[in-house]
Amino acid sequence: DAKTTQPPSMDCAEGRAANLPCNHSTISGNEYVYWYRQIHSQGPQYIIHGLKNNETNEMASLIITEDRKSSTLILPHATLRDTAVYYCIVRVANNQGGKLIFGQGTELSVKP
Amino acid sequence: ETGVTQTPRHLVMGMTNKKSLKCEQHLGHNAMYWYKQSAKKPLELMFVYSLEERVENNSVPSRFSPECPNSSHLFLHLHTLQPEDSALYLCASSSLGTGGTKNIQYFGAGTRLSVL
Repeated sequence: DAKTTQPPSMDCAEGRAANLPCNHSTISGNEYVYWYRQIHSQGPQYIIHGLKNNETNEMASLIITEDRKSSTLILPHATLRDTAVYYCIVRVANNQGGKLIFGQGTELSVKP
Repeated sequence: ETGVTQTPRHLVMGMTNKKSLKCEQHLGHNAMYWYKQSAKKPLELMFVYSLEERVENNSVPSRFSPECPNSSHLFLHLHTLQPEDSALYLCASSSLGTGGTKNIQYFGAGTRLSVL
């Protein structure tokens, strides 16, 4: 699975959009981009995933560049409850029940 | 509520004790996972079960022994642990199949283990 690079920390003002970048320059054609977040001492929570196209759900939007070498997770109106560590993970979605390789992620602090 | 329940939520044990962690999923999934998260470190995959068969063991010491009696339950049996085994132990489950949606893993809240 391809490796990802994320900034270690970011701040965001409450009510503003939080844009979390991720580089995955070695991504393969059959690898998906997944985003999870982990609020302090809880289990990780799935947010969104994508392959080529931009995706949006009730939690966030995922923008993937045309060359697929980077992506951005967007929380459109960040709240204090969005303070968490955000993980960008790239992996093949196959039939093997594969593992998720978690890096250090980005620690997002949403401030009043 | 993610549909994945872990018990107990907190556990304190001595180095000579034997204990078990339990995970139960109500999502109809057929793959289950154990992860370990030590303080200030990323999650590390320990074991993967696919259709109740262990398909991955990430060089985990034998003092950790997993068991998957059916597709809904996963156990982690612990014996003669060391203080450095103190960590948050997380269980996850997923479907099997190709495609991004089928491979989403859903996590429990974890068991916070302290080994004295």
